[in-house]
Amino acid sequence: GNSVTQMEGPVTLSEEAFLTINCTYTATGYPSLFWYVQYPGEGLQLLLKATKADDKGSNKGFEATYRKETTSFHLEKGSVQVSDSAVYFCALSDRTGNQFYFGTGTSLTVIP
Amino acid sequence: GAVVSQHPSWVICKSGTSVKIECRSLDFQATTMFWYRQFPKQSLMLMATSNEGSKATYEQGVEKDKFLINHASLTLSTLTVTSAHPEDSSFYICSARVGGYGNQPQHFGDGTRLSIL
Repeated sequence: GNSVTQMEGPVTLSEEAFLTINCTYTATGYPSLFWYVQYPGEGLQLLLKATKADDKGSNKGFEATYRKETTSFHLEKGSVQVSDSAVYFCALSDRTGNQFYFGTGTSLTVIP
Repeated sequence: GAVVSQHPSWVICKSGTSVKIECRSLDFQATTMFWYRQFPKQSLMLMATSNEGSKATYEQGVEKDKFLINHASLTLSTLTVTSAHPEDSSFYICSARVGGYGNQPQHFGDGTRLSIL
């Protein structure tokens, strides 16, 4: 079956540090992969996506590359800011779009 | 684009009350909307998938009579928590998808915090 395994948090970084949040998946067929961000008390916002192998999604300085050979979609940012403090969710959608599978979420706190 | 509006954002009510939560896609039509429940510091739990003009598909363990879902139009789905009790207190989030394919992301509302006294 389909599933997403996400790096457990919480993660605490100093401002301008490099960020990596690991995400691996198990899927049949060719899923689409997403990263969402949730700020306190709010819903989820789409951060970036990749719909096929070797695609790189990017937005607001965040990047993730769809690696089929390692079944991974790790989120990276070169220099985090305090405003990046949030919970990040990795997600997978099967080809039909009928099911979305979320990781458990990784809480990131960036300190000045 | 692809904005989903959820209302209300916060509800406090007495035990036994029924509460309706609305989810609207503001700038697109959504044949499918999803309802999730999120417990503190946890991931989202899919409750049901709502298809316009047909009955919702509920996930295993979700009580259909407790959580009534109506998707009467392509831009509106509602979740009614009937006879709510303290254990129903949670953060409820809806989402909608543009189109019917897996490569389309879900777009989320801001969530409704439900507190039952």
